[in-house]
Amino acid sequence: EPEVTQTPSHQVTQMGQEVILRCVPISNHLYFYWYRQILGQKVEFLVSFYNNEISEKSEIFDDQFSVERPDGSNFTLKIRSTKLEDSAMYFCASTQGAYGYTFGSGTRLTVV
Amino acid sequence: QKEVEQNSGPLSVPEGAIASLNCTYSDRGSQSFFWYRQYSGKSPELIMSIYSNGDKEDGRFTAQLNKASQYVSLLIRDSQPSDSATYLCAVNKNTGNQFYFGTGTSLTVIP
Repeated sequence: EPEVTQTPSHQVTQMGQEVILRCVPISNHLYFYWYRQILGQKVEFLVSFYNNEISEKSEIFDDQFSVERPDGSNFTLKIRSTKLEDSAMYFCASTQGAYGYTFGSGTRLTVV
Repeated sequence: QKEVEQNSGPLSVPEGAIASLNCTYSDRGSQSFFWYRQYSGKSPELIMSIYSNGDKEDGRFTAQLNKASQYVSLLIRDSQPSDSATYLCAVNKNTGNQFYFGTGTSLTVIP
């Protein structure tokens, strides 16, 4: 069964450093997303991406965040200057459209 | 007002019983409704989707949707210990738009 692949599975970074989280969505999917989940809390929307541009973003997705789909297969989330409160599980997801998402296995980001 | 509300639980049922999970949503324009299962430390896994009023059955799972009451439920028949997880309700307004997730209901199935 096709799956969404995320790397790395765990990233530890120092406060103020830049991190890039990587995702390979399912190949025939059209819509791509990043969500995050702080430990013990609900899954929160960050951004959606369609037709090579951001289609929707949340208040969390401020100027410190950016997304790219540089080569037609990878989908990346960059956090420019990490803060302690960015520590969370980050999930990439994709869908063909009117169906539920397929989530990747997640990247656990720890900011120290 | 929260977009999607779930009873956080924990909900405990004995093995073989029916587990009933409930969810309400605030936006009447919502079109698509989903149930995800999330094991601790893992990503959400889609188990059911429902788009029109009524019941939808898939194996031991039945999703129920009542748009007039803005209510979605999930029934798990013949509950198994492996069903022990957090169940997330998610609601979508339009194709491609974000999903709104509830906080999840923790289910424990006791052998």
